[in-house]
Amino acid sequence: QQPVQSPQAVILREGEDAVINCSSSKALYSVHWYRQKHGEAPVFLMILLKGGEQKGHEKISASFNEKKQQSSLYLTASQLSYSGTYFCGTERWPNDYKLSFGAGTTVTVRA
Amino acid sequence: GAVVSQHPSWVICKSGTSVKIECRSLDFQATTMFWYRQFPKQSLMLMATSNEGSKATYEQGVEKDKFLINHASLTLSTLTVTSAHPEDSSFYICSARRDRWADTQYFGPGTRLTVL
Repeated sequence: QQPVQSPQAVILREGEDAVINCSSSKALYSVHWYRQKHGEAPVFLMILLKGGEQKGHEKISASFNEKKQQSSLYLTASQLSYSGTYFCGTERWPNDYKLSFGAGTTVTVRA
Repeated sequence: GAVVSQHPSWVICKSGTSVKIECRSLDFQATTMFWYRQFPKQSLMLMATSNEGSKATYEQGVEKDKFLINHASLTLSTLTVTSAHPEDSSFYICSARRDRWADTQYFGPGTRLTVL
């Protein structure tokens, strides 16, 4: 079952922040975040595991609320390079290594 | 590390022909490989999961006789689209997973198939 992502799209000016949410109705083992540019393959950003986690790399961070089966991706002080479609991939518990992907959130960062 | 390649990058073929797409993990051994298809502006839909040396597991609604998957080694999986038709035109992406705890899937660059 696919996770639900919101919002569908967001437009930002450089330096602005954004939050992308991903929620599942099933118990999750992990949440994986990817960014995909047009015509290219998804690029892995980070993974969050069951038990609840927060992670970050440079100005992109994410959290996983195990109780709510929700994950959020935070884009801080956005840069032009952050433009793309962000997908969350969820792995159910017990884990079988398969990922179900949300519909994606298109982020456009303008100068 | 964790680089996955796909070949070809794009292919245009006539209706009724078969097309083979290769997926290779270049710097690691992939215990499991996955095949997805993606329509324009849509999400990634898992087609099948393959483990080296065993038969692929197909998702509901995916015709196993049409989409043949072979996982011959720990670094190579192939997807053959048999008797392709225009509705098979899509972006096909493979991913590979290492046998490590809490690891993710690493995606290949994708193959754009156009069936005329």
